[in-house]
Amino acid sequence: AQSVTQPDIHITVSEGASLELRCNYSYGATPYLFWYVQSPGQGLQLLLKYFSGDTLVQGIKGFEAEFKRSQSSFNLRKPSVHWSDAAEYFCAVGAQGNEKLTFGTGTRLTIIP
Amino acid sequence: DAGVIQSPRHEVTEMGQEVTLRCKPISGHDYLFWYRQTMMRGLELLIYFNNNVPIDDSGMPEDRFSAKMPNASFSTLKIQPSEPRDSAVYFCASSSSVGGNQPQHFGDGTRLSIL
Repeated sequence: AQSVTQPDIHITVSEGASLELRCNYSYGATPYLFWYVQSPGQGLQLLLKYFSGDTLVQGIKGFEAEFKRSQSSFNLRKPSVHWSDAAEYFCAVGAQGNEKLTFGTGTRLTIIP
Repeated sequence: DAGVIQSPRHEVTEMGQEVTLRCKPISGHDYLFWYRQTMMRGLELLIYFNNNVPIDDSGMPEDRFSAKMPNASFSTLKIQPSEPRDSAVYFCASSSSVGGNQPQHFGDGTRLSIL
């Protein structure tokens, strides 16, 4: 069975600073990996996804993530955060042929001026 | 394009009452998922359907919960009787199997409070 770990419950970053949110997964084969963002009172919105190919994937809102098989990681990055990036971020893993996703517990991002 | 539509957005009711949550998936999507989100347990998958057929309901907490999908454009999640511990945000999501393992698209959720 697959699993996802987001080790950071809460991260605080200054506006304009760089950001990296960690995600580690456990799955025997090549996983399908996703990052979602949830703003207060809203549903989850897809930021980016990795299925295969280039291990560095670009997403919306200036986010990117890098798949590292050797580290079982799929960390989310942004070079310069904006106050509007404050939200909860979820990493999720899926398996080929299985539409179920396993979500991490989320990382809450706070942006300070 | 219209996204996943959930109703109502908020529901407050007394324990023991029946609660029905509704979801309209994105047109053309053949998978539909119901999730529950709480502070304590995070995001939990309750049940999912493929082509209107329930595939996995192992996440449904107990017999008080039931879900149906009578057609490709509508699903309900029902709780009867409701209890205070059912208070949570319930999300519906849909996805397409075309191309394999496409992302799930979420609705804005129903915030349920059981008094």
